Amino acid sequence: EPEVTQTPSHQVTQMGQEVILRCVPISNHLYFYWYRQILGQKVEFLVSFYNNEISEKSEIFDDQFSVERPDGSNFTLKIRSTKLEDSAMYFCASSERSALTYNSPLHFGNGTRLTVT
Amino acid sequence: AQKITQTQPGMFVQEKEAVTLDCTYDTSDQSYGLFWYKQPSSGEMIFLIYQGSYDEQNATEGRYSLNFQKARKSANLVISASQLGDSAMYFCAMREGQGSGYSTLTFGKGTMLLVSP
Repeated sequence: EPEVTQTPSHQVTQMGQEVILRCVPISNHLYFYWYRQILGQKVEFLVSFYNNEISEKSEIFDDQFSVERPDGSNFTLKIRSTKLEDSAMYFCASSERSALTYNSPLHFGNGTRLTVT
Repeated sequence: AQKITQTQPGMFVQEKEAVTLDCTYDTSDQSYGLFWYKQPSSGEMIFLIYQGSYDEQNATEGRYSLNFQKARKSANLVISASQLGDSAMYFCAMREGQGSGYSTLTFGKGTMLLVSP
């Protein structure tokens, strides 16, 4: 069964450094998302992406975050200057159809655990 | 107000018994979808089951069924014949179908299920 793949599985970085989290969505999916989960807390939406542009973003997704689809397969999340509070599990997800067909489930990757020291 | 409420932080069940995980939701949309995801200790998010707001029958997927009570705005997950491998965090989530074209999943805080032998 096709799946969303994320690399790396664990990233450790120093405060103030830039990190890039990588994702390969399911190949026929058109809608891409980043979510994060701070340890012990609920999963929070960051951003959705369609047709090479951001379609929605949350208040968490401030200027230090950016997303890109540099080629036909990868979808990346960049954090420009990491803070301690950015430590979390970051999930990439993709879905086949938009929320206009709201029954399209999001398929999540295994996550990247980001630790900022 | 919370859009998704899971009132049970933890549940215990014996192997082979059935268990119900509660979920209530809040939306003014007529079109919406309700999802359940499983998160084992390894961290990945696994899609389990979906229920659409217009679906008249309760969704079923193998041992998982969704007890959908629209008037009460509840979408409880029922796991029949629990297995040790069912031990995990379970998240209820909602996707609302109106408004912007690419709306997101809103998650509850989750319920930790422990299955004992």
